[in-house]
Amino acid sequence: EDQVTQSPEALRLQEGESSSLNCSYTVSGLRGLFWYRQDPGKGPEFLFTLYSAGEEKEKERLKATLTKKESFLHITAPKPEDSATYLCAVLKGTYKYIFGTGTRLKVLA
Amino acid sequence: GAVVSQHPSRVICKSGTSVKIECRSLDFQATTMFWYRQFPKQSLMLMATSNEGSKATYEQGVEKDKFLINHASLTLSTLTVTSAHPEDSSFYICSARPPRQGPPYSGNTIYFGEGSWLTVV
Repeated sequence: EDQVTQSPEALRLQEGESSSLNCSYTVSGLRGLFWYRQDPGKGPEFLFTLYSAGEEKEKERLKATLTKKESFLHITAPKPEDSATYLCAVLKGTYKYIFGTGTRLKVLA
Repeated sequence: GAVVSQHPSRVICKSGTSVKIECRSLDFQATTMFWYRQFPKQSLMLMATSNEGSKATYEQGVEKDKFLINHASLTLSTLTVTSAHPEDSSFYICSARPPRQGPPYSGNTIYFGEGSWLTVV
């Protein structure tokens, strides 16, 4: 069964305390893996798209990596404004986007 | 800036009435749009996939007569909740996919609207 699992479900970090969020998937025929940030009461905001194992993308304090079975979103020296829910999704086929349940990140000042 | 816009952001309607939510693709012509529903602290639940000029494809368990989706143009899709009931109260989000790969958009990436809060009283 196609599945996307994110861990941990929730994460509390002190400001400056680096960590990683995990997105593991069991999807055949992957056509892209996507990371989004979602603030409360808002639609998801696009962060990264990854296509093949070994690929990495960076943006400010965030870096996304991809292997054949999982992706990591590394957060370096996070700030309180990085607090949000981070969603991972994979594309199977042409239109089927499968979302994980997200990681709720709280960064404390 | 936003590439997909939703309107209204918040709406309150009376039980039994219908309400329409609009989703506009601002920067590109979207042949495919998606509608989601999200419950508090839960992930996105796909309701339907909307292709311009054709009938929407609904996910299993989604009542197509209750949630009417129209994708009449390449930049506009609408979701109409008919005969709304309090249990339809939720956060509804749309997304759109650019038709081609290449800058400034990542191929196959879908971009989301800001979401619409529906409260049925």
